[in-house]
Amino acid sequence: AQSVSQHNHHVILSEAASLELGCNYSYGGTVNLFWYVQYPGQHLQLLLKYFSGDPLVKGIKGFEAEFIKSKFSFNLRKPSVQWSDTAEYFCAVKRRGSTLGRLYFGRGTQLTVWP
Amino acid sequence: ETGVTQTPRHLVMGMTNKKSLKCEQHLGHNAMYWYKQSAKKPLELMFVYNFKEQTENNSVPSRFSPECPNSSHLFLHLHTLQPEDSALYLCASSQALLRDANTEAFFGQGTRLTVV
Repeated sequence: AQSVSQHNHHVILSEAASLELGCNYSYGGTVNLFWYVQYPGQHLQLLLKYFSGDPLVKGIKGFEAEFIKSKFSFNLRKPSVQWSDTAEYFCAVKRRGSTLGRLYFGRGTQLTVWP
Repeated sequence: ETGVTQTPRHLVMGMTNKKSLKCEQHLGHNAMYWYKQSAKKPLELMFVYNFKEQTENNSVPSRFSPECPNSSHLFLHLHTLQPEDSALYLCASSQALLRDANTEAFFGQGTRLTVV
């Protein structure tokens, strides 16, 4: 069965610290990969996505993620976090050729940034 | 604002009540979804509709009944729920797609449901 693992359930950082959130998936075929962010009281928003091409993907608000096919990973990074980055982050995977639009989500990582 | 609107934002209902959740998308998409977000668990896909036709029911109990009258509207009818059904219910939409197309899902803000 398809699974998406996010290794950290809660990450606490000070402002200006660097961030890396891990995401691994178990499907061996071609995938589309996503990171979504959910700010308190708000909807899930797409942070960045990987469909094909350059495995280093840049998203909004200074976030980036790197797809490493050999490691089945799509880790999210930001060199210097801000208090406003406090949110829950979800990794999601869509298998190419699967039921249309079906996304498999990780459990989420709560990021708390102290000012 | 994502173009996907869900109402109500919050709902408290008794176990014998009947209520409905509504989702409307203004993006011209043809596929719509219901997801359940429970604490400490991954988002769970419940139902998928493509061009108003249900293409997937992810083993959801019959006390949840979806309805998709057109490509822009999606409902989730609730009847005799249990307290463990309390969760955030998210609606999403995406461009109608072939299985291999690159698309992304757009989510609504969700309905926070509490069953008492």
